[in-house]
Amino acid sequence: AQSVTQPDIHITVSEGASLELRCNYSYGATPYLFWYVQSPGQGLQLLLKYFSGDTLVQGIKGFEAEFKRSQSSFNLRKPSVHWSDAAEYFCAVGASNYQLIWGAGTKLIIKP
Amino acid sequence: GAGVSQTPSNKVTEKGKYVELRCDPISGHTALYWYRQSLGQGPEFLIYFQGTGAADDSGLPNDRFFAVRPEGSVSTLKIQRTERGDSAVYLCASSPGDRFSSYEQYFGPGTRLTVT
Repeated sequence: AQSVTQPDIHITVSEGASLELRCNYSYGATPYLFWYVQSPGQGLQLLLKYFSGDTLVQGIKGFEAEFKRSQSSFNLRKPSVHWSDAAEYFCAVGASNYQLIWGAGTKLIIKP
Repeated sequence: GAGVSQTPSNKVTEKGKYVELRCDPISGHTALYWYRQSLGQGPEFLIYFQGTGAADDSGLPNDRFFAVRPEGSVSTLKIQRTERGDSAVYLCASSPGDRFSSYEQYFGPGTRLTVT
């Protein structure tokens, strides 16, 4: 069965430091992979997506993610976080009939 | 332009009552999705519409849940005989509807349903 695992429930990072959020997936075929961000009181916003091609994808707000087939991973990175990046981040894989299967999310806390 | 809107933003109801949750998608988007998000969890797929028809309702938990999209735009999620376990945030998303862009879903702010 398809599934997404985000091993870290919470991550705390100092403002200005680099960030990596982990995502592992289980999917039989070539996956379509996504990262979304959810800020308090706001809807889920798409940060970036991978369908095919270059395994390093760039997204909005300075985020990037790298697809590694051998590790079944799609980790999200940012070289320098800002206080406004504090939010919950969700990794998802596209399944049949265009539904998304989601991880449980990682809450990012920014230390001043 | 306007994004996906959902009404009400909050709904408190008593166990056993009937509720309707409304979703207004982005204009022109043919695909519409409903998800449910419980506390501390990622969204869970409920149902997907392409136009007026439900293309996949495999995520609806039981026959108390039903959704319609009669004119291919606004959708209503209906829950009969609500139970406390139905308490969650119900999310609606829409997308343009062609093959790849259907995965690029635009979400509304959600309706927080509390069943007392």
